[in-house]
Amino acid sequence: DTAVSQTPKYLVTQMGNDKSIKCEQNLGHDTMYWYKQDSKKFLKIMFSYNNKELIINETVPNRFSPKSPDKAHLNLHINSLELGDSAVYFCASSRQGASTGTQYFGPGTRLTVL
Amino acid sequence: GQQVMQIPQYQHVQEGEDFTTYCNSSTTLSNIQWYKQRPGGHPVFLIQLVKSGEVKKQKRLTFQFGEAKKNSSLHITATQTTDVGTYFCAGQGASGTYKYIFGTGTRLKVLA
Repeated sequence: DTAVSQTPKYLVTQMGNDKSIKCEQNLGHDTMYWYKQDSKKFLKIMFSYNNKELIINETVPNRFSPKSPDKAHLNLHINSLELGDSAVYFCASSRQGASTGTQYFGPGTRLTVL
Repeated sequence: GQQVMQIPQYQHVQEGEDFTTYCNSSTTLSNIQWYKQRPGGHPVFLIQLVKSGEVKKQKRLTFQFGEAKKNSSLHITATQTTDVGTYFCAGQGASGTYKYIFGTGTRLKVLA
């Protein structure tokens, strides 16, 4: 069984469209994250939820909106897609607790905006 | 804000040579983690260091956390082609938040 799964794996869309990426973890973790990895491989945290509560909200355009329906799921909705949104988006999860933050990453969603 | 830099950005080595990547944080860290990302893959956790001056080994990999808890290194002895990938450090601030700031990464290529 995949520990952290994301759908879709690839997403190709036109500028201006709205799209969603879904993430699910079956590890029983309390904390989930969204990261963006750009073409230079820089990995930047975007959001984090702990038990469905938003705890990290980095400087991200408000076109990006995370939603956590329960602690096993964290989705990312993006409105009005722009060329610069093209990247690989990784979901990750970890157990609650600052010192036990080992993060388990999903396989990533490669978003291409045309 | 907190920044974590890694050097070098890229490294090409011949198989069998050693490799080291260095990680430097602008602020004191409570702990640091290392991840490996294979080409086309996702980051995979390698290790976590918590104590000042801590050294941990995993087979050919040696991890070190600086005395001031602001820097760290990963050393690979006798590289193999399976070591190819990007190595990231990720530091958690001393305030102990959930947030880990990832380093800029070092891409390692191993030539057979």
